[in-house]
Formats: sequence, C-alpha cells, structure tokens
Amino acid sequence: KQEVTQIPAALSVPEGENLVLNCSFTDSAIYNLQWFRQDPGKGLTSLLLIQSSQREQTSGRLNASLDKSSGRSTLYIAASQPGDSATYLCARLPFGASGSARQLTFGSGTQLTVLP
Amino acid sequence: EPEVTQTPSHQVTQMGQEVILRCVPISNHLYFYWYRQILGQKVEFLVSFYNNEISEKSEIFDDQFSVERPDGSNFTLKIRSTKLEDSAMYFCASSGGVRNSPLHFGNGTRLTVT
Repeated sequence: KQEVTQIPAALSVPEGENLVLNCSFTDSAIYNLQWFRQDPGKGLTSLLLIQSSQREQTSGRLNASLDKSSGRSTLYIAASQPGDSATYLCARLPFGASGSARQLTFGSGTQLTVLP
Repeated sequence: EPEVTQTPSHQVTQMGQEVILRCVPISNHLYFYWYRQILGQKVEFLVSFYNNEISEKSEIFDDQFSVERPDGSNFTLKIRSTKLEDSAMYFCASSGGVRNSPLHFGNGTRLTVT
C-alpha cells in the first residue's frame, strides 16, 4: 500500500525563521508531488507541483524539492510570517499504467504555527 | 483567478437520508474529483470523472455513492442513504487535460449525519 508520511505533525516557530517541512513516500514510482496549504475549515490551496523529472520548484518564499531515490520531498519556507500558519499537506500522484490515473495519496499534514 | 465552488458549505442530515453535494469546477478543466476528509484523518480519494464517466474510484466509493455532471457546469456527489460514518468534509477538485496539471480544490462541504 502506498503511504505518505509527514514529519513533524506540528511545528511552532518564531516569526522570521526559515523552516523545512518533510514528506516521505514508500513508492518512488511517482508521476508528480504536490504541496497544499489548508487553513482551518477551508479547502486545499495548491502551492507547488513537482514533476518526477524535476528536482525542485520555487514560488516566492516557498521552495519544494523532490528526491525520488530516497522517497522524500521537502517544503522550505523562508522568512516565515504569522500568515503562513496553516496545515501543509503533501500528496503524490502515482506513475500508474493508466494515463487517466489521478488518484492523489495525501500525507496527514504538518500543522505550522508562526508566532509573532 | 478562477476557482472551484462548492455548495452548501455545511449540510446536516439524518441517517438514511439522501444528500447531494454540489460543485462548480473551473470552466476549462476536464477532470473532476471528489475527496473527503474525516475529522482528524487524512484526505482520501473517492472518485475521478472524465469525459462523462467515472475513470477511477476508491474502495470507499461503494454503491451508496454516485456522481453526475448534469449540465456543462455542475458536478454532483450523491449519497443515497447516509450513515453516521459518512460525516466528513467533502472536497471537490478539478484539473486540466494534461496529467501534470495541478488539482484545484474547493472549500468543501461539511456533511454532518445525525
């Protein structure tokens, strides 16, 4: 069974600190990996998508990396702000035989609190 | 920026009743999905829909569930006879035609079965 694990489950940091969120997956045959942000009671906001052929993607203060050989992805947040407080989820899309396979497998998330 | 919209935001129903959750995907997207998240648990895949038919479904998506695209804009999830364990946040998502297109999620419908 494909598993996605996120460590730590919760993280609290002071404003301005750089931080790294971790995501690991058991099956390295992935098509892509997507990072999401979830605010309490809200939906999922797509942050970054890394294709299997890529090693990293950047958007503003966010940088996501992918190492398929070790089954790991990291989300780096630079100069954290209180507005970054949310739950961050990673999800993998498997490299299935079917071109239409779109079933994402999610991790349980890291709940981030940035203290002012 | 276009977004996925879901209605209602919160639905309360009694066990055994039928519910229909509604979604309007992003207009030029081709793939549509339902996911759910039971409180405190992971987001789980239910079903994907393409070209007016189900392309994938999970073990959760049993005969009590059905999806429909009744017109060119709406995408619905129907639960025929709700159970207590169906209580969850249900998310609709859509994506473009390319397989590497990111999924865009709506804000969800919180379903409470009493």
